[in-house]
Amino acid sequence: SQQGEEDPQALSIQEGENATMNCSYKTSINNLQWYRQNSGRGLVHLILIRSNEREKHSGRLRVTLDTSKKSSSLLITASRAADTASYFCATETTSGTYKYIFGTGTRLKVLA
Amino acid sequence: EPEVTQTPSHQVTQMGQEVILRCVPISNHLYFYWYRQILGQKVEFLVSFYNNEISEKSEIFDDQFSVERPDGSNFTLKIRSTKLEDSAMYFCASNPGLNDNEQFFGPGTRLTVL
Repeated sequence: SQQGEEDPQALSIQEGENATMNCSYKTSINNLQWYRQNSGRGLVHLILIRSNEREKHSGRLRVTLDTSKKSSSLLITASRAADTASYFCATETTSGTYKYIFGTGTRLKVLA
Repeated sequence: EPEVTQTPSHQVTQMGQEVILRCVPISNHLYFYWYRQILGQKVEFLVSFYNNEISEKSEIFDDQFSVERPDGSNFTLKIRSTKLEDSAMYFCASNPGLNDNEQFFGPGTRLTVL
């Protein structure tokens, strides 16, 4: 699999339910970030988690990082219709140029 | 709050034409990047730029592409002879150059090649 693969590729839930998205990566990282993107629009930064952190919260978002498994998860609690978007993880590699490698994304649809 | 800006927001061009996409990174940042996202696909790294030279480029960034920082503020991506498959959203980003810092993305330029 490629660096930064998310699963599931698509997720459809009812408003009020929780949504969990997973991301796996292959190489060493400095940090991992999650972004949201509405269809055809720009990238909205959600949360950054550093390689020495295991969990981070921001409002209804909870991100975990397991560097031994090279994986991360994004949990959105009490989802709303406005959360409908694509969610991408991006890893900052240790290559020295701080470039990001993006995952394939999860398309989340929250039904009202 | 400082932000990365990009112009134009949408560019339509004919195949074979040259296009220049412009970006103004955050002023005290040291690393600059271009990424591409073909519709419905993931965001792909194109090139990073540091100290007035390319520090890393992907295999997508072939001889048709070039980047320049012509003055202290602008950062441009030039596509010499556009192809249909260059149609994509192009994102510029900048980074302070320290470990573990958020990379700041611009709003993107949608390039449509006809």
